[in-house]
Amino acid sequence: NAGVTQTPKFQVLKTGQSMTLQCAQDMNHEYMSWYRQDPGMGLRLIHYSVGAGITDQGEVPNGYNVSRSTTEDFPLRLLSAAPSQTSVYFCASSRYGQRYGYTFGSGTRLTVV
Amino acid sequence: DAKTTQPNSMESNEEEPVHLPCNHSTISGTDYIHWYRQLPSQGPEYVIHGLTSNVNNRMASLAIAEDRKSSTLILHRATLRDAAVYYCIPDSNYQLIWGAGTKLIIKP
Repeated sequence: NAGVTQTPKFQVLKTGQSMTLQCAQDMNHEYMSWYRQDPGMGLRLIHYSVGAGITDQGEVPNGYNVSRSTTEDFPLRLLSAAPSQTSVYFCASSRYGQRYGYTFGSGTRLTVV
Repeated sequence: DAKTTQPNSMESNEEEPVHLPCNHSTISGTDYIHWYRQLPSQGPEYVIHGLTSNVNNRMASLAIAEDRKSSTLILHRATLRDAAVYYCIPDSNYQLIWGAGTKLIIKP
């Protein structure tokens, strides 16, 4: 039982490049979400999913796309990286949603130059 | 959306109890209060959550005021490993709204 696995752990992108941050969970959780955390701040919700085939926007969705084709995977795509997207990205999952607690991955530290 | 107010930082001595306060005066009647903590360079970790009554688990206790405008996370015997940023979070429309949290410093 690996929990929530995020890859890569570190990434440097050039402005304008695209990439996908991977997130996988092996706990059969229905709810998954992506957050970003800027230095000294709390997390901000980017996108979330309540089950396979269902996604919705969070607080800061611009510049990011998601899809949920399986229960296990919830990738986050950066369409055209910008320096403002330099941040630490966390993926989280929960069997029943926030009311039962989320399990977080260890994060992806992204730098856009 | 519900907003929370927490102290920026708190200090406590090792092996003593710690009471971390949170004000959430705008919370709605159906919003749960969650507490997470984040150790340096790690992802957040679930601590505890509750709606109206006090809650206990192996990590901590959560005391919720009768009017639900505030709550207190209680670490019964702090260790150096409890040094982290603690977030008090209402779930609003099934979305967790994160503030800046309280940085807990444990003194040996």
